Parts: sequence; C-alpha cells; structure tokens
Amino acid sequence: GDSVTQMEGPVTLSEEAFLTINCTYTATGYPSLFWYVQYPGEGLQLLLKATKADDKGSNKGFEATYRKETTSFHLEKGSVQVSDSAVYFCALTRSGNTGKLIFGQGTTLQVKP
Amino acid sequence: GAVVSQHPSRVICKSGTSVKIECRSLDFQATTMFWYRQFPKQSLMLMATSNEGSKATYEQGVEKDKFLINHASLTLSTLTVTSAHPEDSSFYICSARGSQETQYFGPGTRLLVL
Repeated sequence: GDSVTQMEGPVTLSEEAFLTINCTYTATGYPSLFWYVQYPGEGLQLLLKATKADDKGSNKGFEATYRKETTSFHLEKGSVQVSDSAVYFCALTRSGNTGKLIFGQGTTLQVKP
Repeated sequence: GAVVSQHPSRVICKSGTSVKIECRSLDFQATTMFWYRQFPKQSLMLMATSNEGSKATYEQGVEKDKFLINHASLTLSTLTVTSAHPEDSSFYICSARGSQETQYFGPGTRLLVL
C-alpha cells in the first residue's frame, strides 16, 4: 500500500543553519505531496504542496521538489529560525482520491538561538 | 486561513464510559471531515471519513460501533468513543475540507481513560 517515510528526529540546529528533512514515498500512480507543520499546542497547518513531478512547493522560506525518479519530496530551508521549531509531517494523497492523507511519522525540529 | 476547533482539548474519563469529541469548522462549510488518531511519537492514522448527511467510511481495522461518527451539519462532526478503555487513550485530531482540496486541522483532543 501507499506509505511515506521521513528521516527520524529530533533534528537540532543552530539558528541560521541549513535544514533538510528527508521524505520518500511509495505510491501507485501520481500522488500529490504535502508538508504539514505542527507548532506546539496547535493543529497541523499546510506548509507547502506539489501536485506533479518536478513541481516545487515553497512557503515561508521552505522548499520541496517533487522528484518522481527518486520518489522523494525533501524539505529544505536555507536559514532556520527559532520560530521554525515544530514537528514536520510529510504526506501524500493519491490522485482522484477523496482527500485521504497518508502521513509520515513526523520529524521534530528544534532550533537553538 | 480557515479555522477548525475541537472540544474538549483534553478529557479524562473512567473505563466503560463514553466520550464525545466535537469538531467544528468556524468560518467555512466542511463537506468532508476526517478523524485521525495519533499515538505518542507516531504518525497520524486516518480512522474515518465523513461526508455531511451520510454515513462515515471507516478505515480497515477501525471498529465503527466503538467510534461513532456523526456529521449532521456542514460545520460540525462528532466522534463518540463508546465504552472507552485504557487502550483507547490517545490524541484524536479532526480535519475539515470545504470546496477546495486543502484540509484544515483542529488542534486535537487528548483522551485519557483510567
């Protein structure tokens, strides 16, 4: 079945460091890919998405490129801030689906000043 | 952005009792709502999908008689955990989707069954 695998956390970085959180997926067809972020005490928020191969999603300085050849959707940010500390979830939904999301296990990011 | 609320945020109950969790879309009409369960340090697992005015569709392995879902209006869905037991203790999260594809998530409800 469809699945999403994320790198294990927690990831601890200093402010202004470069961030990469790896995400790979297994799915039939052409899924849409998402990154969600969950700040402490809050619900999940959509960070960015890509709906077809080679699309790049971007938001708030974060980027991820849909790579069909490597079935990956790695999240990157050039310079993290303390306020980026949160749990990040990679997810997919299959094309033509009712909207059911399949999530990775989540990666906790902690940014220290 | 769109806001989804959940109530209560936290509930403690005795084994054998039933607990109702509400999920509301505050500023949009949600034709579809989803209920997830999240175990500590694990991912969100979809439990069921509910469309307004129709029966919920449960994922494989989820007991529909134990987790009753009602989606009676375009802004409200409820999840009732019936005859709760300690193994039902978890973090329950709902999401709502309107006319667009994006799902908006509630802040979650932590259930502890003693």
